[in-house]
Amino acid sequence: AQSVTQLDSQVPVFEEAPVELRCNYSSSVSVYLFWYVQYPNQGLQLLLKYLSGSTLVKGINGFEAEFNKSQTSFHLRKPSVHISDTAEYFCAGWGIQGAQKLVFGQGTRLTINP
Amino acid sequence: NAGVTQTPKFQVLKTGQSMTLQCAQDMNHNSMYWYRQDPGMGLRLIYYSASEGTTDKGEVPNGYNVSRLNKREFSLRLESAAPSQTSVYFCASSGTGFGYTFGSGTRLTVV
Repeated sequence: AQSVTQLDSQVPVFEEAPVELRCNYSSSVSVYLFWYVQYPNQGLQLLLKYLSGSTLVKGINGFEAEFNKSQTSFHLRKPSVHISDTAEYFCAGWGIQGAQKLVFGQGTRLTINP
Repeated sequence: NAGVTQTPKFQVLKTGQSMTLQCAQDMNHNSMYWYRQDPGMGLRLIYYSASEGTTDKGEVPNGYNVSRLNKREFSLRLESAAPSQTSVYFCASSGTGFGYTFGSGTRLTVV
């Protein structure tokens, strides 16, 4: 069973428009959540992470995500995207179903159109 | 710069050939991982090593072996390559902060 689910495999948006990439996870007692970005032909880079504290987490490049325990979600948002945000985005969780390692979602390919 | 270094970056193998993918990290991390990435399938864990001297299977271990040579190095070996092993391979490491640091990947084609 998928433990981290990214609800959209592809998201096309126009430049300067807002975007939300959706991520849901399987409920667990303690879970830490992450978003990674992969630019074409590169490895994965950490965008942001939620470990504890404020449920609104700010990351690099103007991205933010909100941890919602009741809805078991960790959606990624950006109010205004740029061409350079074109990439694949991965949601991941640590502690999902007790696993002591990261479990990744399937990825969402974000395409920014001019 | 500190990070995870993978070699080689590209490799073409013939079916049945063997090779070893190398990975080294200089962040003093305890845990290291090997993933493969295929279109539409995200990242799938092949093997991981929670600490020096230990290794464990992930989701897709068949056809692979690993060696945690020391705390810095974690290699992945394909003993007899198959076309189904054509993929992009990523090594990662993690310390106490739960997040991973990834290498830049090895693009492997098996013909």
